[in-house]
Amino acid sequence: ILNVEQSPQSLHVQEGDSTNFTCSFPSSNFYALHWYRWETAKSPEALFVMTLNGDEKKKGRISATLNTKEGYSYLYIKGSQPEDSATYLCAFWNRDDKIIFGKGTRLHILP
Amino acid sequence: DTAVSQTPKYLVTQMGNDKSIKCEQNLGHDTMYWYKQDSKKFLKIMFSYNNKELIINETVPNRFSPKSPDKAHLNLHINSLELGDSAVYFCASSPFRDFYEQYFGPGTRLTVT
Repeated sequence: ILNVEQSPQSLHVQEGDSTNFTCSFPSSNFYALHWYRWETAKSPEALFVMTLNGDEKKKGRISATLNTKEGYSYLYIKGSQPEDSATYLCAFWNRDDKIIFGKGTRLHILP
Repeated sequence: DTAVSQTPKYLVTQMGNDKSIKCEQNLGHDTMYWYKQDSKKFLKIMFSYNNKELIINETVPNRFSPKSPDKAHLNLHINSLELGDSAVYFCASSPFRDFYEQYFGPGTRLTVT
């Protein structure tokens, strides 16, 4: 059974602080890992698509790393702002066209 | 200028009915998807079409049938609706098959009574 775990499930961070969270996925048959940002009452929006071991991607204050050999990816947010409050989803793709989403990490930024 | 649109946004219907949800994308993408967000908020892939060809067909009851009349549209038809079909259904598209980022529609909340 393919499993994608995200931790923590929920996180409260003071505005201005930096934070990170994890996505764990099967290390075999890896094809790609996606990160999405999902605000309440909206649709998921793509942040990153990562395919190579050691990949590092950055978009503004948000960055992500990928380790396909051990099966994890980290998402980092530097200097959290209120608009960062959202659920962050990762999605694992394998070479058999399996797409599995994690349950997400719900991030709350405290003013 | 909605990139991925779904209709209707809300659908309330009785058990046993047949209903359809429509999805359209104006991004020129080749690949489209249907996801179900279950009661535990998990997003689960149901189907994917690439250029009108079915490429992903997860274990979904036969009552669910996707139809892609052209690569800009992927509709979801559900026969004999059951209470357990109540969920939010998301359509998405991506430029090509494989690992490109997906663009999601606003979702359709289906409630079966």
